[in-house]
Amino acid sequence: DTAVSQTPKYLVTQMGNDKSIKCEQNLGHDTMYWYKQDSKKFLKIMFSYNNKELIINETVPNRFSPKSPDKAHLNLHINSLELGDSAVYFCASSTGTGGQPQHFGDGTRLSIL
Amino acid sequence: QQQVKQSPQSLIVQKGGISIINCAYENTAFDYFPWYQQFPGKGPALLIAIRPDVSEKKEGRFTISFNKSAKQFSLHIMDSQPGDSATYFCAASGSGTASKLTFGTGTRLQVTL
Repeated sequence: DTAVSQTPKYLVTQMGNDKSIKCEQNLGHDTMYWYKQDSKKFLKIMFSYNNKELIINETVPNRFSPKSPDKAHLNLHINSLELGDSAVYFCASSTGTGGQPQHFGDGTRLSIL
Repeated sequence: QQQVKQSPQSLIVQKGGISIINCAYENTAFDYFPWYQQFPGKGPALLIAIRPDVSEKKEGRFTISFNKSAKQFSLHIMDSQPGDSATYFCAASGSGTASKLTFGTGTRLQVTL
Protein backbone atom coordinates (compact mmCIF):
# COMPACT_ATOMS: atom_id res chain seq x y z
CA ASP A 1 0.00 0.00 0.00
CA THR A 2 2.54 2.53 -1.25
CA ALA A 3 1.35 6.10 -0.73
CA VAL A 4 2.97 7.75 -3.77
CA SER A 5 4.07 5.35 -6.48
CA GLN A 6 5.98 6.12 -9.66
CA THR A 7 6.62 3.97 -12.69
CA PRO A 8 9.05 3.11 -14.03
CA LYS A 9 11.74 3.21 -11.34
CA TYR A 10 14.50 3.26 -13.97
CA LEU A 11 14.35 4.57 -17.51
CA VAL A 12 17.28 4.26 -19.87
CA THR A 13 16.79 5.66 -23.35
CA GLN A 14 18.52 7.40 -26.21
CA MET A 15 18.66 11.07 -27.06
CA GLY A 16 15.75 12.26 -29.12
CA ASN A 17 13.27 9.70 -27.82
CA ASP A 18 9.96 10.51 -26.14
CA LYS A 19 9.16 8.96 -22.75
CA SER A 20 6.55 9.15 -20.01
CA ILE A 21 6.67 8.73 -16.24
CA LYS A 22 3.52 7.91 -14.32
CA CYS A 23 2.60 8.82 -10.75
CA GLU A 24 -0.28 7.75 -8.57
CA GLN A 25 -1.12 8.60 -4.98
CA ASN A 26 -3.60 6.85 -2.68
CA LEU A 27 -3.48 9.42 0.12
CA GLY A 28 -6.58 11.31 -0.98
CA HIS A 29 -4.50 14.43 -1.60
CA ASP A 30 -5.66 17.10 -4.02
CA THR A 31 -2.28 18.53 -5.01
CA MET A 32 0.50 16.77 -6.88
CA TYR A 33 3.99 17.84 -7.91
CA TRP A 34 6.91 16.94 -10.13
CA TYR A 35 10.45 17.63 -8.92
CA LYS A 36 13.83 17.14 -10.60
CA GLN A 37 16.86 16.09 -8.58
CA ASP A 38 20.13 16.60 -10.41
CA SER A 39 23.44 14.80 -10.03
CA LYS A 40 24.39 17.10 -7.13
CA LYS A 41 21.14 16.12 -5.39
CA PHE A 42 19.63 19.58 -5.80
CA LEU A 43 15.83 19.35 -5.72
CA LYS A 44 13.80 21.77 -7.79
CA ILE A 45 10.10 21.93 -8.44
CA MET A 46 8.92 21.64 -12.02
CA PHE A 47 5.13 21.57 -11.89
CA SER A 48 2.26 21.51 -9.44
CA TYR A 49 -1.38 20.57 -9.98
CA ASN A 50 -4.29 21.19 -7.63
CA ASN A 51 -7.53 19.37 -8.44
CA LYS A 52 -6.25 18.74 -11.98
CA GLU A 53 -5.49 22.45 -12.50
CA LEU A 54 -1.92 23.59 -13.21
CA ILE A 55 -0.83 26.07 -10.52
CA ILE A 56 2.97 26.04 -10.68
CA ASN A 57 4.89 25.89 -13.93
CA GLU A 58 8.55 26.63 -13.39
CA THR A 59 10.91 27.62 -16.19
CA VAL A 60 10.94 24.14 -17.65
CA PRO A 61 11.47 23.51 -21.40
CA ASN A 62 8.16 22.94 -23.14
CA ARG A 63 9.43 19.49 -24.10
CA PHE A 64 8.14 18.58 -20.64
CA SER A 65 4.36 18.28 -20.48
CA PRO A 66 2.53 17.20 -17.35
CA LYS A 67 -0.94 15.73 -17.48
CA SER A 68 -3.33 15.16 -14.60
CA PRO A 69 -6.26 12.93 -15.62
CA ASP A 70 -7.65 13.04 -12.07
CA LYS A 71 -6.60 14.14 -8.57
CA ALA A 72 -4.83 10.86 -7.86
CA HIS A 73 -2.66 10.79 -10.97
CA LEU A 74 -0.02 13.07 -12.45
CA ASN A 75 2.01 11.95 -15.44
CA LEU A 76 5.05 13.57 -17.03
CA HIS A 77 5.73 13.28 -20.75
CA ILE A 78 9.09 14.33 -22.12
CA ASN A 79 9.67 14.87 -25.84
CA SER A 80 12.97 14.83 -27.69
CA LEU A 81 15.05 13.79 -24.70
CA GLU A 82 18.42 15.50 -24.24
CA LEU A 83 21.51 14.50 -22.29
CA GLY A 84 20.79 17.23 -19.74
CA ASP A 85 17.47 15.58 -18.89
CA SER A 86 19.32 12.80 -17.07
CA ALA A 87 18.24 13.10 -13.43
CA VAL A 88 15.95 11.57 -10.84
CA TYR A 89 12.37 12.77 -11.16
CA PHE A 90 10.20 12.73 -8.05
CA CYS A 91 6.45 12.91 -7.78
CA ALA A 92 4.93 14.26 -4.56
CA SER A 93 1.50 15.03 -3.19
CA SER A 94 -0.07 17.09 -0.44
CA THR A 95 -3.38 18.20 0.97
CA GLY A 96 -3.93 21.72 -0.21
CA THR A 97 -1.33 24.04 -1.65
CA GLY A 98 1.44 26.13 -0.12
CA GLY A 99 2.94 25.32 3.24
CA GLN A 100 1.66 21.77 3.49
CA PRO A 101 3.57 18.54 4.14
CA GLN A 102 4.51 16.87 0.89
CA HIS A 103 4.82 13.11 0.48
CA PHE A 104 7.31 11.94 -2.11
CA GLY A 105 7.52 8.84 -4.25
CA ASP A 106 10.80 6.95 -4.58
CA GLY A 107 11.71 8.56 -7.87
CA THR A 108 12.35 7.61 -11.47
CA ARG A 109 16.00 7.60 -12.49
CA LEU A 110 16.19 8.76 -16.10
CA SER A 111 19.42 8.08 -17.97
CA ILE A 112 19.94 9.40 -21.48
CA LEU A 113 22.52 7.59 -23.59
CA GLN B 1 19.16 32.77 -7.15
CA GLN B 2 19.24 30.37 -4.26
CA GLN B 3 16.80 31.44 -1.60
CA VAL B 4 17.68 28.80 1.01
CA LYS B 5 21.33 28.29 1.95
CA GLN B 6 22.28 25.12 3.81
CA SER B 7 25.46 24.15 5.62
CA PRO B 8 27.54 22.11 6.05
CA GLN B 9 27.58 20.15 2.81
CA SER B 10 28.69 17.05 4.70
CA LEU B 11 28.96 16.08 8.33
CA ILE B 12 30.55 13.19 10.19
CA VAL B 13 29.37 12.57 13.74
CA GLN B 14 30.16 9.81 16.19
CA LYS B 15 27.38 7.60 17.47
CA GLY B 16 25.70 9.30 20.42
CA GLY B 17 26.80 12.76 19.35
CA ILE B 18 24.73 15.76 18.27
CA SER B 19 24.34 16.53 14.56
CA ILE B 20 23.61 20.16 13.69
CA ILE B 21 22.60 21.41 10.25
CA ASN B 22 21.96 25.06 9.55
CA CYS B 23 19.84 26.89 7.00
CA ALA B 24 19.31 30.54 6.17
CA TYR B 25 16.60 32.05 4.00
CA GLU B 26 16.08 35.38 2.29
CA ASN B 27 12.39 35.58 1.47
CA THR B 28 10.46 37.07 4.40
CA ALA B 29 7.23 35.69 2.93
CA PHE B 30 8.33 32.17 3.85
CA ASP B 31 6.26 30.82 6.72
CA TYR B 32 6.69 27.05 6.54
CA PHE B 33 10.04 25.38 7.18
CA PRO B 34 10.24 21.60 6.86
CA TRP B 35 13.20 19.25 7.05
CA TYR B 36 13.36 16.19 4.83
CA GLN B 37 15.47 13.04 5.19
CA GLN B 38 16.54 11.11 2.10
CA PHE B 39 18.12 7.67 1.99
CA PRO B 40 19.88 6.41 -1.17
CA GLY B 41 17.40 5.23 -3.77
CA LYS B 42 14.44 6.68 -1.88
CA GLY B 43 12.42 9.85 -2.05
CA PRO B 44 12.70 12.62 0.54
CA ALA B 45 10.61 11.94 3.65
CA LEU B 46 9.28 14.68 5.90
CA LEU B 47 11.07 14.61 9.22
CA ILE B 48 9.81 17.63 11.11
CA ALA B 49 8.49 21.09 10.24
CA ILE B 50 8.06 24.44 11.97
CA ARG B 51 6.11 27.63 11.41
CA PRO B 52 7.44 31.01 12.58
CA ASP B 53 5.02 31.39 15.49
CA VAL B 54 7.31 29.16 17.62
CA SER B 55 11.07 29.25 18.11
CA GLU B 56 11.57 25.55 18.69
CA LYS B 57 9.89 22.27 17.91
CA LYS B 58 10.94 18.87 19.15
CA GLU B 59 9.93 15.43 17.95
CA GLY B 60 11.82 12.60 19.59
CA ARG B 61 15.54 13.07 18.94
CA PHE B 62 14.91 15.74 16.29
CA THR B 63 14.61 19.44 17.14
CA ILE B 64 14.17 22.48 14.90
CA SER B 65 15.39 25.82 16.25
CA PHE B 66 14.01 28.87 14.46
CA ASN B 67 15.29 32.47 14.59
CA LYS B 68 12.91 34.73 12.69
CA SER B 69 14.93 37.93 13.09
CA ALA B 70 18.08 36.27 11.77
CA LYS B 71 16.13 34.36 9.11
CA GLN B 72 17.81 31.14 10.15
CA PHE B 73 16.70 27.71 11.25
CA SER B 74 18.55 24.59 12.21
CA LEU B 75 18.05 20.87 12.75
CA HIS B 76 19.55 19.19 15.78
CA ILE B 77 19.72 15.40 15.94
CA MET B 78 20.40 14.27 19.48
CA ASP B 79 22.03 10.92 20.28
CA SER B 80 22.84 10.41 16.58
CA GLN B 81 22.67 6.80 15.39
CA PRO B 82 24.19 5.03 12.37
CA GLY B 83 20.63 4.66 11.04
CA ASP B 84 20.44 8.46 10.83
CA SER B 85 23.09 8.41 8.09
CA ALA B 86 21.30 10.04 5.16
CA THR B 87 21.04 13.31 3.24
CA TYR B 88 19.06 16.03 4.99
CA PHE B 89 17.35 18.88 3.20
CA CYS B 90 15.91 22.02 4.70
CA ALA B 91 13.17 23.76 2.75
CA ALA B 92 10.95 26.79 2.94
CA SER B 93 7.76 28.05 1.39
CA GLY B 94 4.98 30.53 1.79
CA SER B 95 1.38 29.49 2.31
CA GLY B 96 -0.25 30.93 -0.79
CA THR B 97 -1.83 28.78 -3.48
CA ALA B 98 1.10 29.09 -5.86
CA SER B 99 3.78 28.91 -3.15
CA LYS B 100 6.50 26.46 -3.98
CA LEU B 101 8.81 24.54 -1.69
CA THR B 102 12.38 25.81 -2.12
CA PHE B 103 15.00 23.32 -0.97
CA GLY B 104 18.48 23.82 0.44
CA THR B 105 21.39 22.04 -1.21
CA GLY B 106 21.41 19.12 1.23
CA THR B 107 23.74 17.85 3.95
CA ARG B 108 25.14 14.36 3.80
CA LEU B 109 25.32 13.05 7.36
CA GLN B 110 27.43 10.06 8.29
CA VAL B 111 27.19 8.68 11.82
CA THR B 112 30.14 6.49 12.71
CA LEU B 113 30.34 3.78 15.35
